[in-house]
Amino acid sequence: EAAVTQSPRSKVAVTGGKVTLSCHQTNNHDYMYWYRQDTGHGLRLIHYSYVADSTEKGDIPDGYKASRPSQENFSLILELASLSQTAVYFCASSDAGGQDTQYFGPGTRLLVL
Amino acid sequence: QQQVRQSPQSLTVWEGETAILNCSYEDSTFDYFPWYRLFPGESPALLIAIRPVSNKKEDGRFTIFFNKREKKLSLHITDSQPGDSATYFCAASGGTGSKLSFGKGAKLTVSP
Repeated sequence: EAAVTQSPRSKVAVTGGKVTLSCHQTNNHDYMYWYRQDTGHGLRLIHYSYVADSTEKGDIPDGYKASRPSQENFSLILELASLSQTAVYFCASSDAGGQDTQYFGPGTRLLVL
Repeated sequence: QQQVRQSPQSLTVWEGETAILNCSYEDSTFDYFPWYRLFPGESPALLIAIRPVSNKKEDGRFTIFFNKREKKLSLHITDSQPGDSATYFCAASGGTGSKLSFGKGAKLTVSP
C-alpha cells in the first residue's frame, strides 16, 4: 500500500494559470519535500517542511509556494505557471530529515503550454 | 552551486560487466551519502547508503567505495543486468541538516 501519494498524476496547465499539486503521506513522518526532476538537472529541492503549518525554502523556490496544513499533507502551488515549470514533480517524506531514507511518491507530470 | 557532482552523465556497459558511477562533493560536513535509483516511469528509491565511519558498503552486487580525504565516492555494480538500466543519483547531507543535496544523476544502460 503506497505510503506517499500524489495528485494529480499528470496535468496540462496554461501559462499564467494556477496549479496546485497535492501530496499525502501515511508514514507518520515529520519531514516532507517537493522536488522537480528535469533531464540534465537531476532532482532539485523546491520546498520542504519539518512540521505542520511551517515550510522552508529549498534550492529553487522561486515561482513556487508550499503549504503544510497537517502532518500528512503537503501542497505545492504555482500561482502563475510558466513554460519553464514543465517537469516531473516528486513529493517525498522522511522521518529524520536529510539523514534518513526519503520515500518518494509516484510523481506528477506537469506540462505548461 | 552544485554541491554534489556525478560522472559520467551516462554510461553503457554489457551484461555481466561492472558499471562504475562516480560522485564527488564539496562540503566537508557531509556525513551521509545515499544512492537513489530511478527507473523510467517510476519514483526514486534508496538503493544503498554509506556513512564515513566506513570506506566501503556492500549490498549484493552493489558496493560503495568512499574516500573521505579526496571527497569522492563511487558506486560499483558488478555482474550488471539489463534490469539495472536506470538513472542513479548520488546524494549527500550533513549534521542535523534537513536536506539532501542530489547530483544530476547518471543514466546507466546495460546492453544484453
